[in-house]
Amino acid sequence: NFMLTQPHSVSESPGKTVTISCTRSSGSIASNYVQWYQQRPGSAPTTVIYEDNQRPSGVPDRFSGSIDSSSNSASLIISGLKTEDEADYYCQSYDSTNQVFGGGTKLTVL
Amino acid sequence: EVQLLESGGGLVQPGGSLRLSCAASGFTFSSYALSWVRQAPGKGLEWVSAISTSGSSTYYADSVKGRFTISRDSSKNTLYLQMNSLRAEDTAIYYCARAVAGTRVDYWGQGTLVSVSS
Repeated sequence: NFMLTQPHSVSESPGKTVTISCTRSSGSIASNYVQWYQQRPGSAPTTVIYEDNQRPSGVPDRFSGSIDSSSNSASLIISGLKTEDEADYYCQSYDSTNQVFGGGTKLTVL
Repeated sequence: EVQLLESGGGLVQPGGSLRLSCAASGFTFSSYALSWVRQAPGKGLEWVSAISTSGSSTYYADSVKGRFTISRDSSKNTLYLQMNSLRAEDTAIYYCARAVAGTRVDYWGQGTLVSVSS
């Protein structure tokens, strides 16, 4: 089994751009799609990015995703930060028998 | 509208058992794999188990293998998680989730709280 490692927390000012990384411990990041979920306090998670870089309908285009094989990592990029973006963000991927979540990153918009 | 409604959570003593249910509506139940994902208090998300569209294939995290059993009933559009030999570290909110191609979640329930304590 592999692990996905995220920074514990990040912070940035409104209007700026923030990048949250997700590094895969073994196996290629490109071998299985990466998803990103947003979770606000007291609520269930929701999907903001699926299949590396696809946005579900209703998710603003300020949210984007990418993968980088050289660093074996995925990134969630949020531009034009708003206070409503303050939440926990989790990356997720899978292999043939398991789904794996990263430890989560708390985004503070201050 | 896709809806996933969990039930069955509660307080149970260590070593005890509990069965969670997830009533699904708003989509063709038999067309989707389903998963359980949990979140311990103040902690991150942890995948627990998944089941294929037909129910013939099931998958478990190492932390629950041999203690938990996932199943589904297409006649009732309901997903289940039978949890035996519960431990304090199983305390969490348990989310029912619809899985696209068995690889990612597109819809989540609101969760049911399981507390394991004496």
